[in-house]
Amino acid sequence: AQSVTQPDIHITVSEGASLELRCNYSYGATPYLFWYVQSPGQGLQLLLKYFSGDTLVQGIKGFEAEFKRSQSSFNLRKPSVHWSDAAEYFCAVGTPINTGTASKLTFGTGTRLQVTL
Amino acid sequence: KAGVTQTPRYLIKTRGQQVTLSCSPISGHRSVSWYQQTPGQGLQFLFEYFSETQRNKGNFPGRFSGRQFSNSRSEMNVSTLELGDSALYLCASSFLEGTGELFFGEGSRLTVL
Repeated sequence: AQSVTQPDIHITVSEGASLELRCNYSYGATPYLFWYVQSPGQGLQLLLKYFSGDTLVQGIKGFEAEFKRSQSSFNLRKPSVHWSDAAEYFCAVGTPINTGTASKLTFGTGTRLQVTL
Repeated sequence: KAGVTQTPRYLIKTRGQQVTLSCSPISGHRSVSWYQQTPGQGLQFLFEYFSETQRNKGNFPGRFSGRQFSNSRSEMNVSTLELGDSALYLCASSFLEGTGELFFGEGSRLTVL
């Protein structure tokens, strides 16, 4: 079974500083990888996804993530954080459709980002 | 295009009661998934429906059930509510089955007293 670890429960950064949120996954083959963001009282919004190909993927709101197979990691980065980025971020892993698990995602426990002005 | 709509947004029930939550997916989306979010357990997959068929089910007791209608709208039902069922229940829809590109609603927050 797949699993996702987000080692940082809470991160605080200053506005304008760079950001990196860590994500490690466990899966026997190449998984589908996702980052979602959740603002208070809201549902989750997809930031970016990795299925195959280029290991550096670009997402919305200036976020990017890099898939590193050797490290089983899919860290999320942003070069300059804005106060509106304060939210909870979830890394998730899914398995390819041909394994029959469809849209069953396994989420990490989340990292809460606080942005100081 | 309207997003995923969940109703009701908030509800309070007492132990032993049952509850039905509704989800209207984005127009054209045929896959609907349900997740439970709690502070202790995080986000956990409940089940997924595609074209009125349950494709996957998570590790929840039989008190949790769902269905999907021909217009792709979905409902989930929890019977014999327990205090531990208090959670945010999130519905997500997807255009393509099995891609994980989920569009989430704002959720239904259930409080069980």
